[in-house]
Amino acid sequence: NAGVTQTPKFRILKIGQSMTLQCTQDMNHNYMYWYRQDPGMGLKLIYYSVGAGITDKGEVPNGYNVSRSTTEDFPLRLELAAPSQTSVYFCASSYGTGTHQPQHFGDGTRLSIL
Amino acid sequence: AQSVTQPDIHITVSEGASLELRCNYSYGATPYLFWYVQSPGQGLQLLLKYFSGDTLVQGIKGFEAEFKRSQSSFNLRKPSVHWSDAAEYFCAVLQTDSWGKLQFGAGTQVVVTP
Repeated sequence: NAGVTQTPKFRILKIGQSMTLQCTQDMNHNYMYWYRQDPGMGLKLIYYSVGAGITDKGEVPNGYNVSRSTTEDFPLRLELAAPSQTSVYFCASSYGTGTHQPQHFGDGTRLSIL
Repeated sequence: AQSVTQPDIHITVSEGASLELRCNYSYGATPYLFWYVQSPGQGLQLLLKYFSGDTLVQGIKGFEAEFKRSQSSFNLRKPSVHWSDAAEYFCAVLQTDSWGKLQFGAGTQVVVTP
């Protein structure tokens, strides 16, 4: 069972470069999320999507963009990489919302901006 | 908005000893609470969840958690830890004033010594 797959697993970028973090899920989940994890800070929600064509901002959206053209894919775009975006990024998905729909996480993308 | 606090950033425990991780929440009504575990280099995995009913919740990998309304706590316990329990543990609360957003605590890193 693939679940939530994130690519790449590691990446080093130079300041000002752009890149797309890929996320795909094979569970036919409607809801997808992007988090960033910084040491001692837990996970912060960047963007989320409640279905194909629908996205919305989370707590820390600045510097990022997302799109959701299919149910399976939810890529995260960094347009102008900055050192503050050095972090571990997690994609997650869930069938719906509410108490009985746990979020399933990918293994993360470790991104360094130098 | 609801929030959770994990007072312990780091805990060291001997293999075979018991483990208790603290989680305090802030919310007036009954919260929906979760514990996730993150093994090194992996994504987050759901250990257990509490919605209502029995205040002692059983999860995977031999973990349990007890909801105590009087103390606003949802502490995670395991009677005898294994070396494979070395990981980071996150408590989370469901934001009921939104579509199902999870608010994570900062995490507790558990080190298991021989």
